[in-house]
Amino acid sequence: EVVLTQSPATLSLSPGDRATLFCRASQDISRYLAWYQQRPGQAPRLLIYDASNRATDIPARFSASGSGTDFTLTISSLEPEDFAVYYCQQRYRWPPLTFGGGTKVEIK
Amino acid sequence: QVQLQESGPGLVKPSETLSLSCSVSGGSIIAHCWSWIRQSAGKGLEWIGRVYASGKTDYNPSLKSRVTMSADTSKNQLSLKLNSVTAADTAMYYCARGLGGGADLENWFDTWGQGTLVTVSS
Repeated sequence: EVVLTQSPATLSLSPGDRATLFCRASQDISRYLAWYQQRPGQAPRLLIYDASNRATDIPARFSASGSGTDFTLTISSLEPEDFAVYYCQQRYRWPPLTFGGGTKVEIK
Repeated sequence: QVQLQESGPGLVKPSETLSLSCSVSGGSIIAHCWSWIRQSAGKGLEWIGRVYASGKTDYNPSLKSRVTMSADTSKNQLSLKLNSVTAADTAMYYCARGLGGGADLENWFDTWGQGTLVTVSS
């Protein structure tokens, strides 16, 4: 099973700041990684798939990169609605499909 | 715009079977692959498995012995059964649609239901 480790666990930032989130895979997963955002009381929302492709209607301030075992999600300038929990997910070696433990982006 | 709605008992007794449905509106279940995913405080997000309208399924090996998924095209509905439940199965259960646009993309989830909370307790 591919284990995804996200860091940091919590990121304390202010609106307008740049956020950088990390996801490390326990083995090479090529570019088969996605990022999701989950706001309180809501289901996750797909942001990025295949490492760097933005999903439909996702703002350009969200970008992502990486391949192999190391991946990054960047939010260029935080909006109030971006304070949420972010998860990564892999589909390279499955079953099972696996998710990371999440990074919470909170208001400083 | 497609919408998903999970439903089922909110409380299940230990050793019994958890049964959930996911109603799909605004689109046919035939065109996509559908997954069930659960979220608990202890284990985070956990993929349970996926089902096609054809009935083809893939399950998480850790749950495979207890899980059954199916699709009903006449009702445009999906179902999940998890037997022999324990407190560890207490979680929010989501159904989610695969992204589509090719088999490789079905394992990304672009539409989710709001989830249904299931508690396992006597």
